[in-house]
Amino acid sequence: SQQGEEDPQALSIQEGENATMNCSYKTSINNLQWYRQNSGRGLVHLILIRSNEREKHSGRLRVTLDTSKKSSSLLITASRAADTASYFCALDSSYKLIFGSGTRLLVRP
Amino acid sequence: DAGVIQSPRHEVTEMGQEVTLRCKPISGHDYLFWYRQTMMRGLELLIYFNNNVPIDDSGMPEDRFSAKMPNASFSTLKIQPSEPRDSAVYFCASRSTSGSRSEQFFGPGTRLTVL
Repeated sequence: SQQGEEDPQALSIQEGENATMNCSYKTSINNLQWYRQNSGRGLVHLILIRSNEREKHSGRLRVTLDTSKKSSSLLITASRAADTASYFCALDSSYKLIFGSGTRLLVRP
Repeated sequence: DAGVIQSPRHEVTEMGQEVTLRCKPISGHDYLFWYRQTMMRGLELLIYFNNNVPIDDSGMPEDRFSAKMPNASFSTLKIQPSEPRDSAVYFCASRSTSGSRSEQFFGPGTRLTVL
């Protein structure tokens, strides 16, 4: 399968803690993207990291990419209850995205 | 911009009926994607268009599914005849290849229930 495999499938943390989600893949990529999906809503783009980048930051988000290991991680620092959602990695190869299975994050107030 | 618009938001139909889902992409976007999301199979890419032309329909599950994009501002996904296993949330997304951004913008989805 080309899709990314995410780990863990579900994560429950206390507000203020950090949340780390991992994505492993098998194919070559142009870039890797992370999306968030709130319950019953469409996906929202969070951050993109190109294949020649190793780390990227956006606000409380930090993404790393290791192309030799074919893996990426998304770190959300100082989590808030509003961060409760499902998070998906998406492999970008020639314009189409192949989504992983997602990590369901619950941030307890 | 209003973002990607999908209609209807919810559709309940009976097995055997024809279902048509509609999508209006963001103006100026040249790629349009149709996805299906279920608990069992996750988010699957069904088909995508570039400049209104279908590029890859390898994800379309069966001949019962068809998609069209008659112009840059409208696309349809049709299921005929519908079956209970088609029940899912169907998302439309669009993106632009101008500039360096390659993110996709998703619509709110159509929740389809086939009884």
